[in-house]
Amino acid sequence: GESVGLHLPTLSVQEGDNSIINCAYSNSASDYFIWYKQESGKGPQFIIDIRSNMDKRQGQRVTVLLNKTVKHLSLQIAATQPGDSAVYFCAELAAGNKLTFGGGTRVLVKP
Amino acid sequence: GAVVSQHPSWVICKSGTSVKIECRSLDFQATTMFWYRQFPKQSLMLMATSNEGSKATYEQGVEKDKFLINHASLTLSTLTVTSAHPEDSSFYICSASRSNEQFFGPGTRLTVL
Repeated sequence: GESVGLHLPTLSVQEGDNSIINCAYSNSASDYFIWYKQESGKGPQFIIDIRSNMDKRQGQRVTVLLNKTVKHLSLQIAATQPGDSAVYFCAELAAGNKLTFGGGTRVLVKP
Repeated sequence: GAVVSQHPSWVICKSGTSVKIECRSLDFQATTMFWYRQFPKQSLMLMATSNEGSKATYEQGVEKDKFLINHASLTLSTLTVTSAHPEDSSFYICSASRSNEQFFGPGTRLTVL
């Protein structure tokens, strides 16, 4: 079946630096992607989304890039803060409004 | 707006007993809710789609007789883990759908002894 996967399981970043989290997807027909942040013991929290008719979308300190040619998605966090420490998931919206989650990347912010 | 709650937030039960987890959309109506399971250090896996007033749709490999889902109202879906076993210990997360956007609950940690 189709899947969404990540390249890096853990990312350590110095406070104040930028973070980049990557995600590969395999369903070329996918047209909507979402990034979630999950803190320990909590449910996923929406960060930002992007549709396939876009290649970049910016939010507050976050930017999502979509490269449909290589089926790659990335999340950039600017000026990473301790509160950004969490696990980040990309997700793909499929038929029936179902979400398929990637494997997750843990971001550890070092002071 | 778009707040989803779950109850209980954690539960410990003995093997063989049944456990019910509630998912509520507090400030909106949700005709569709989703149930996910997440094992430690793993991703969320969709278990089933819960539709108000109709039977739930289960993902492949999820036993419908073991994981009973009831979506009796537009703001409440319940997941009952029947005859729970230690391998059912996991983090169960629900989401409620509004305008094709999913809002997640805080999760329920189930530990089966």
